[in-house]
Amino acid sequence: DIQMTQSPSSLSASVGDRVTITCRASQSISTNLNWYQQKPGKAPKLLIYAASSLQSGVPSRFSGSGSETDFTLTISSLQPEDFATYYCQQSFSTPLFTFGPGTKVDIK
Amino acid sequence: EVQLVESGGGLVQPGGSLRLSCAASGVTFRSYEMSWVRQAPGKGLEWVSYISSSGSSIFYADSVKGRFTISRDNVKNSLYLQMSSLRAEDTAVYYCASVQTKAVLVFDDWGQGTLVTVSS
Repeated sequence: DIQMTQSPSSLSASVGDRVTITCRASQSISTNLNWYQQKPGKAPKLLIYAASSLQSGVPSRFSGSGSETDFTLTISSLQPEDFATYYCQQSFSTPLFTFGPGTKVDIK
Repeated sequence: EVQLVESGGGLVQPGGSLRLSCAASGVTFRSYEMSWVRQAPGKGLEWVSYISSSGSSIFYADSVKGRFTISRDNVKNSLYLQMSSLRAEDTAVYYCASVQTKAVLVFDDWGQGTLVTVSS
């Protein structure tokens, strides 16, 4: 089974900060990596797919990069509505999907 | 875009059974692959099960294999999850989600979730 890890597990940041979240796969998954944002009490929302493609309607301050085992999600200038938990998810071993444990971004 | 509404959650005793439903609208449901994803209180997301658009291909996470059964009715535009031999660790919000291809498979549309609590 492919295991996913994320770092950090949580971070505190201010509006306007550049934020980077890392996701690592236990084996190479090429670019079969997606990122989701989840706010409290809400369903997750797709942000980035195939490691670096921006989902329609998602602000351009969000970007993704990486391949094989190491991936990053970057928020170039954190906005108030970006405080949430972010999850990576691998689609390499479909349809056996795996999520990362999540990274909570809160206000400093 | 598909609109998804889950129902059927509630309180059930350990060892009991429960059937979740997910009603789809706005699209041709029979064209969509579907999954169930759950989230224990205060925890992360866990994929539970997948079903192909025709229902001919089904997969489960090891944690629910042999206890949960996914199914769909493409005439009624509905997805189901029959859960049996429930354990305390199955307590979670259960989401249904469409599985779509955007270069890779993604969970594109999600329902609002339904809470299942397993407790005596």
